[in-house]
Amino acid sequence: DQQVKQNSPSLSVQEGRISILNCDYTNSMFDYFLWYKKYPAEGPTFLISISSIKDKNEDGRFTVFLNKSAKHLSLHIVPSQPGDSAVYFCAASSYGQNFVFGPGTRLSVLP
Amino acid sequence: DTGVSQDPRHKITKRGQNVTFRCDPISEHNRLYWYRQTLGQGPEFLTYFQNEAQLEKSRLLSDRFSAERPKGSFSTLEIQRTEQGDSAMYLCASSFWENEQYFGPGTRLTVT
Repeated sequence: DQQVKQNSPSLSVQEGRISILNCDYTNSMFDYFLWYKKYPAEGPTFLISISSIKDKNEDGRFTVFLNKSAKHLSLHIVPSQPGDSAVYFCAASSYGQNFVFGPGTRLSVLP
Repeated sequence: DTGVSQDPRHKITKRGQNVTFRCDPISEHNRLYWYRQTLGQGPEFLTYFQNEAQLEKSRLLSDRFSAERPKGSFSTLEIQRTEQGDSAMYLCASSFWENEQYFGPGTRLTVT
């Protein structure tokens, strides 16, 4: 039973355009959501997070949107750069425990 | 601080052997997590410590797996009687309380 889903295994975007990565969850107890980026041969790197009391959090080119009623969150990267090419993981937790990761989406930003 | 470090980076072992991995977290972080990641999947939670106390263990953590964090600093993860299904990347992460986790580079285990 996958509690955190990323239904798009891969995504290709042109440099300079917007990248939108999606994530759905099933556990209504999740109250904290995070996005991580992973390059080959490295551990995941924290990007941005959002608490369930908010519906948007922005950090530079990265914005995360949370729709609690739909149990859906998305990561927007604008403008996309070739260095953003990586695997992106969505993660969720409840009360600071039980961290669950999605299977990841491979983003390719084409020059 | 150079971040979370893990040792070794790669380990090849024969089925039935025991292996031990080490993780050194970011020094001011009180929480330390172990995850396992297989190809095409996200990290799967195994266990976590708050200081030296092991607070949660996943059902994925069979009796052959044991983790320690004796002084609330570094941690070890031991797998006894390894099986081919144990082949995976083992990731360690640390955090300050329940904030974002910082991951190490991982230890890739291959059981032949």
